[in-house]
Amino acid sequence: GQSLEQPSEVTAVEGAIVQINCTYQTSGFYGLSWYQQHDGGAPTFLSYNGLDGLEETGRFSSFLSRSDSYGYLLLQELQMKDSASYFCAEGSRDDKIIFGKGTRLHILP
Amino acid sequence: NAGVTQTPKFQVLKTGQSMTLQCAQDMNHNSMYWYRQDPGMGLRLIYYSASEGTTDKGEVPNGYNVSRLNKREFSLRLESAAPSQTSVYFCASSGGAGTSYEQYFGPGTRLTVT
Repeated sequence: GQSLEQPSEVTAVEGAIVQINCTYQTSGFYGLSWYQQHDGGAPTFLSYNGLDGLEETGRFSSFLSRSDSYGYLLLQELQMKDSASYFCAEGSRDDKIIFGKGTRLHILP
Repeated sequence: NAGVTQTPKFQVLKTGQSMTLQCAQDMNHNSMYWYRQDPGMGLRLIYYSASEGTTDKGEVPNGYNVSRLNKREFSLRLESAAPSQTSVYFCASSGGAGTSYEQYFGPGTRLTVT
């Protein structure tokens, strides 16, 4: 079956760097996605790792290690607007993805 | 492009009532999804449709039915609402054929069952 683990909350300071980890246990793993959701809003896609390594998109980067069943989302130069929940999600061959329970990121001024 | 639209935005039902949540996308996507989101539970997949004419169960299908009316529209029906179905419901779509990792979400329907 599919199961993802990520911390429920993380706190960081404005301007700093924060890493949100995600571990998974699944057969048929197809890749790891990351989504951002602000309070009251809908999830929005941030990043995807289909292969091992680092993917960079502006201030956000995502990393995957298949051998360790582990990935992370890295947010640099944190801004107050980055306060949100972040979800990792794993894909499978049958065209669906399963979401983790989410990490709430608190940013202190 | 409107992206993914959902109606209604808010709904209050009494236990035992039925209703249909509507979802439409204008991105010519093949795959569509229905999720529910409860506090602390993340997003849980109810049903999905990998292509027009097909539907499959997700993690929490009990108490729900779906219809993929055409390529654009995917509806979710609650036949006999229960308080446990109080939740926020999101519809999403993706291009399909290996692109399910990038999904586009509608604004959500906030449903309360009393």
